[in-house]
Amino acid sequence: EIVLTQSPGTLSLSPGDRATLSCRASQSVSGYYFAWLQQKPGQAPRPLIYGASSRAPGIPDRFSGSGSGTEFTLTISRLEPEDFAVYYCQQYGSSTPVTFGQGTRLEIK
Amino acid sequence: QVQLQESGPGLVKPSGTLSLFCSVSGDSISTNNWWNWVRQSPERGLEWIGEVYHTGTTIYNPSLESRVSMSVDDSKNQFSLTLSDVSAADAAVYFCARRHRFNWNEYFDSWGPGTRVSVSS
Repeated sequence: EIVLTQSPGTLSLSPGDRATLSCRASQSVSGYYFAWLQQKPGQAPRPLIYGASSRAPGIPDRFSGSGSGTEFTLTISRLEPEDFAVYYCQQYGSSTPVTFGQGTRLEIK
Repeated sequence: QVQLQESGPGLVKPSGTLSLFCSVSGDSISTNNWWNWVRQSPERGLEWIGEVYHTGTTIYNPSLESRVSMSVDDSKNQFSLTLSDVSAADAAVYFCARRHRFNWNEYFDSWGPGTRVSVSS
């Protein structure tokens, strides 16, 4: 299976800052089948980005995704208070089990 | 707007069988989507269990394949998960989710709120 490794494990920033989260895959992933999810305590994961760079409906444009192959990035241009949460990357290629990264916790500095 | 809701016992005995259901509203389960189960625990993080298509076709995580079964009930617009021979390692929050396929794209667009399952005698 494809292992996704996220960095950093924890990111401490202030509202208004720019956040850059990384996800590295153990082997090449099709961008069509790569997503970023946000999860807040006690809630289900919420899709933010699919297809590596397309925003899901209702997601603000301060969220953007990029990357290909084995390196993907989620960028939040200006952090809002509601953005402090845990973020997961996910790959769901057709010929391999769906896997998730271990998560990056974005906390208020 | 699609909504998913998990249901089932919150407590299962060791070596017993876990059975969960996911009710779907706002979409027919017979559309061109895959219906998934994902679980989450502090020890294992988010773990994909498998998915089922409305025809009954299933794809399971190889790590769980020997103990997992999924099915669809068109009449109730719901799908189900059965996990046999459970142990403490199966204690987790279980989510159902839709893998939505549209315009040559697909992603896990809708998730249930999750149901916590404990394993204890």
